[in-house]
Amino acid sequence: DADVTQTPRNRITKTGKRIMLECSQTKGHDRMYWYRQDPGLGLRLIYYSFDVKDINKGEISDGYSVSRQAQAKFSLSLESAIPNQTALYFCATSDGGLAVETQYFGPGTRLLVL
Amino acid sequence: DQQVKQNSPSLSVQEGRISILNCDYTNSMFDYFLWYKKYPAEGPTFLISISSIKDKNEDGRFTVFLNKSAKHLSLHIVPSQPGDSAVYFCAASALQGAQKLVFGQGTRLTINP
Repeated sequence: DADVTQTPRNRITKTGKRIMLECSQTKGHDRMYWYRQDPGLGLRLIYYSFDVKDINKGEISDGYSVSRQAQAKFSLSLESAIPNQTALYFCATSDGGLAVETQYFGPGTRLLVL
Repeated sequence: DQQVKQNSPSLSVQEGRISILNCDYTNSMFDYFLWYKKYPAEGPTFLISISSIKDKNEDGRFTVFLNKSAKHLSLHIVPSQPGDSAVYFCAASALQGAQKLVFGQGTRLTINP
């Protein structure tokens, strides 16, 4: 079984709809992250959480919210989806204890907002 | 402001030859640099890293070189194999930046038989 799972893997929605992307991990890591990938822009950080009670905004948090339901679960919500939120979304985890911040990524969710 | 830049969107190399992927950064506070590899329909996977106190790190066919004065790092793959065809992301982190990773735009490497 995969260490970091994301659901759904693909989603098509309409402008104005609320959607939630979910991430679960079995690595036992405290730190979790949400990124989006756009062509030519690489991966950009949306939100990150260093433990269940810690939520931090990343580089591009506008239009998004998150919920850390448990150590293993971190959800990303688009309250009112817009077309420029069409992207590939990745969840990642890390243990935070090492000097080198190696993050482990899920397989991604491809989102299309019409 | 793009703090980590990969200026080559794509690179094509013949099987068996050396692949060299380049990355430039602007933030002198970065302490660690990492390379991730991404196949289609999969998430990025960690490949190799280097601390700012070193100028070279080697792991099998993969070597990362860091030139701090030029704020430049490169990934060398020797010899290149068809399975190396993927998108490669350069990333950097700063201990004072809560260890968040900043990624480059990615370079798509194609290894031709």
